[in-house]
Amino acid sequence: ELKVEQNPLFLSMQEGKNYTIYCNYSTTSDRLYWYRQDPGKSLESLFVLLSNGAVKQEGRLMASLDTKARLSTLHITAAVHDLSATYFCAVDSRNRDDKIIFGKGTRLHILP
Amino acid sequence: EAGVAQSPRYKIIEKRQSVAFWCNPISGHATLYWYQQILGQGPKLLIQFQNNGVVDDSQLPKDRFSAERLKGVDSTLKIQPAKLEDSAVYLCASSFLGLAKNIQYFGAGTRLSVL
Repeated sequence: ELKVEQNPLFLSMQEGKNYTIYCNYSTTSDRLYWYRQDPGKSLESLFVLLSNGAVKQEGRLMASLDTKARLSTLHITAAVHDLSATYFCAVDSRNRDDKIIFGKGTRLHILP
Repeated sequence: EAGVAQSPRYKIIEKRQSVAFWCNPISGHATLYWYQQILGQGPKLLIQFQNNGVVDDSQLPKDRFSAERLKGVDSTLKIQPAKLEDSAVYLCASSFLGLAKNIQYFGAGTRLSVL
């Protein structure tokens, strides 16, 4: 059974600092997604990672994928308050016995 | 481009009552998903449609939940009868079949409170 674990689940950090959110998954995956969710809002797609070593960057966020370690990271550079949100990773193995599984999310609070 | 539309946005019912949610996906998206998101957790896939056929409903509590997508476009999710533990946000998402990325676009969700 595919399992997705994120850590940390909660993160409070100062503006200007760097930090990394980790996403581990238990079985072979073809696609890994990162989503952002603001309070009371729906999910917004940030990145899709399709292959080992894939790296995507958008502004202060950078996501990477290591399929051998079954690990993806979301790195935040010089955090700003607007990045406060909950970040989810999700894994899609395309196996008929599996499904798209979301992690529990990392609630990020950036202090001004 | 219009996004995924869901209604209603909010619904409050008493336990044992019935409720239905509606979703209109992005035009041209063959795949439609219904998720349940309980407060503080990640979305859990309830059912996935490809056109009007069910791809995966393994996590749908079929004794009380049902979903349909008769014409391969709009979809409805029904709960009958509702339980207290069904209180959650119900998210609908759609994606374009055939793209390797398979990005899902989410609607705003329906927040259900069961009293």
